[in-house]
Amino acid sequence: QQQVKQSPQSLIVQKGGIPIINCAYENTAFDYFPWYQQFPGKGPALLIAIRPDVSEKKEGRFTISFNKSAKQFSLHIMDSQPGDSATYFCAANDTNFGNEKLTFGTGTRLTIIP
Amino acid sequence: DTGVSQDPRHKITKRGQNVTFRCDPISEHNRLYWYRQTLGQGPEFLTYFQNEAQLEKSRLLSDRFSAERPKGSFSTLEIQRTEQGDSAMYLCASSPKVEGEQYFGPGTRLTVT
Repeated sequence: QQQVKQSPQSLIVQKGGIPIINCAYENTAFDYFPWYQQFPGKGPALLIAIRPDVSEKKEGRFTISFNKSAKQFSLHIMDSQPGDSATYFCAANDTNFGNEKLTFGTGTRLTIIP
Repeated sequence: DTGVSQDPRHKITKRGQNVTFRCDPISEHNRLYWYRQTLGQGPEFLTYFQNEAQLEKSRLLSDRFSAERPKGSFSTLEIQRTEQGDSAMYLCASSPKVEGEQYFGPGTRLTVT
């Protein structure tokens, strides 16, 4: 059962554009939603995370938008650069009762063209 | 470098052999996690430790898999009688507290021939 659905599978954006990656979840108990960036041959690196008590969070060029009623959240990358080309994963977990495991989406391969 | 480290980075083994991977978490992080990632997929949770106690194991972790974290520091993941389906990237992550961010290591890529 895929609890976190991510789209699109791949995305090509011109430098300076704003790629948007979307995720939808089913489990209403999820209360922590991180985004990870992964380069080929490397482990995922934490970019930014949000909790459902806010609808938006910004860190540098990265913004998460969160819609609790729709059970959706998205990542926006402002002023995208070729160095942002990587695979991005959304994730979620239910931190209540000490539940620790992250459930990941299937990833979005982002390419920023000069 | 004070990040999560994993060893080896790559491992090629023949079907039926046993392999062991090591993870060194960020110091002072008491939570340690193992995930498996196959090509084109997101990481899948395998197990996690709080200090030396193994608190949860995924159904993905068959009887051939065992993980330990003696003394609550580094951790090892052993796969016995490897199968071709075990070929994947094995990722380790650590976290300083419950509800905390998980920081991943570079992974160990296992290829079973």
